Amino acid sequence: EAGVTQSPTHLIKTRGQQATLRCSPISGHTSVYWYQQALGLGLQFLLWYDEGEERNRGNFPPRFSGRQFPNYSSELNVNALELEDSALYLCASSLMGLAGERGFNEQFFGPGTRLTVL
Amino acid sequence: AQTVTQSQPEMSVQEAETVTLSCTYDTSESNYYLFWYKQPPSRQMILVIRQEAYKQQNATENRFSVNFQKAAKSFSLKISDSQLGDTAMYFCAFRGAQKLVFGQGTRLTINP
Repeated sequence: EAGVTQSPTHLIKTRGQQATLRCSPISGHTSVYWYQQALGLGLQFLLWYDEGEERNRGNFPPRFSGRQFPNYSSELNVNALELEDSALYLCASSLMGLAGERGFNEQFFGPGTRLTVL
Repeated sequence: AQTVTQSQPEMSVQEAETVTLSCTYDTSESNYYLFWYKQPPSRQMILVIRQEAYKQQNATENRFSVNFQKAAKSFSLKISDSQLGDTAMYFCAFRGAQKLVFGQGTRLTINP
């Protein structure tokens, strides 16, 4: 069974441009999560999508946005890129989301997209 | 807001030794999960072990075990008989009602 896939592997942009990152979850998973992993800062939660809707977002400005498609794949868009947006962006998927349920659904992570803003 | 703190940015041990990674967290929730994730140099994050807060028994997965001290809000990871393949970044994570919160990570190097 294929794992979580992300594209592109690397992305180089200049300040002010827009970046689009893509994620395909494991088959059968309806929830997709996005994290930013900047150097020395660990993983910061960005966004959570489940069944096509945004369920929660982290403490990031509105220029970070995304969507989830009917096939549960997801796209993260970063507008007006800033130098500090340079990071590894990780996508994860799980069987179902977190809100309203107290069980555990493991998040499976993709390999990430390395975004470099020059 | 929940916070997770890993006080050891880097650790290094010899192969076959036992190593313990520390993690503390802060929360007002009573029901939650705690995790240790491993991120090898290839960067694919994988789950190592998890602990449900309502369980008193410490979780164990082969060479990996945790010491969960709920009152102290401490959740350390012990790796026994360490192997070269254990070299990775290790992240402690807390999951409450809404999201997964990660610590800043500990870079563990196993030396031959």
